Amino acid sequence: EAGVTQSPTHLIKTRGQQATLRCSPISGHTSVYWYQQALGLGLQFLLWYDEGEERNRGNFPPRFSGRQFPNYSSELNVNALELEDSALYLCASSRERGGNQPQHFGDGTRLSIL
Amino acid sequence: AQSVTQLDSHVSVSEGTPVLLRCNYSSSYSPSLFWYVQHPNKGLQLLLKYTSAATLVKGINGFEAEFKKSETSFHLTKPSAHMSDAAEYFCVVSETGRRALTFGSGTRLQVQP
Repeated sequence: EAGVTQSPTHLIKTRGQQATLRCSPISGHTSVYWYQQALGLGLQFLLWYDEGEERNRGNFPPRFSGRQFPNYSSELNVNALELEDSALYLCASSRERGGNQPQHFGDGTRLSIL
Repeated sequence: AQSVTQLDSHVSVSEGTPVLLRCNYSSSYSPSLFWYVQHPNKGLQLLLKYTSAATLVKGINGFEAEFKKSETSFHLTKPSAHMSDAAEYFCVVSETGRRALTFGSGTRLQVQP
């Protein structure tokens, strides 16, 4: 079974630009989650999508947004990039929405803001 | 609100000796608890999970953890460390319904030859 795949592996942007990160969940998983792992701040929950809808959101500004497509893949968009957005962005997927199915993580996209 | 405290930021052991990584949690509801491992420049791999069944949970690669409600602890152990165990370990709590994982700050495990 293929794992969670994320692209690109690395992304370099400048302040004020926009970044798009992509995630393909494990086959059969309907929920997709996004996390930010910034140096010194640890892992923080960003967004949860299930069945195409945003179900929960972490404490991040609105310039962090995303969507989930009918095939359950997902995009994370970050607008008006700031230096502190430099981080590893991890995507995870899990099976159905109910219960506490474990989340399976991809290897992440490292976003660097110059 | 839920929170997780990993009591040690760094743990160093010798190869072949036991590993103990400590975790305390706080949760308003019956939590699910997980341990994940992250190797350098990699995503997180699930080691084990507790979801209100047996309090002693066995995971992959010889790791296990014991859920102690009275102590609000979920410590991770392994009888004998291997060089390949060197990585960052995260204790994670999830409340039913919210689905947002709350991560501890991580414990970096070093294994000396």
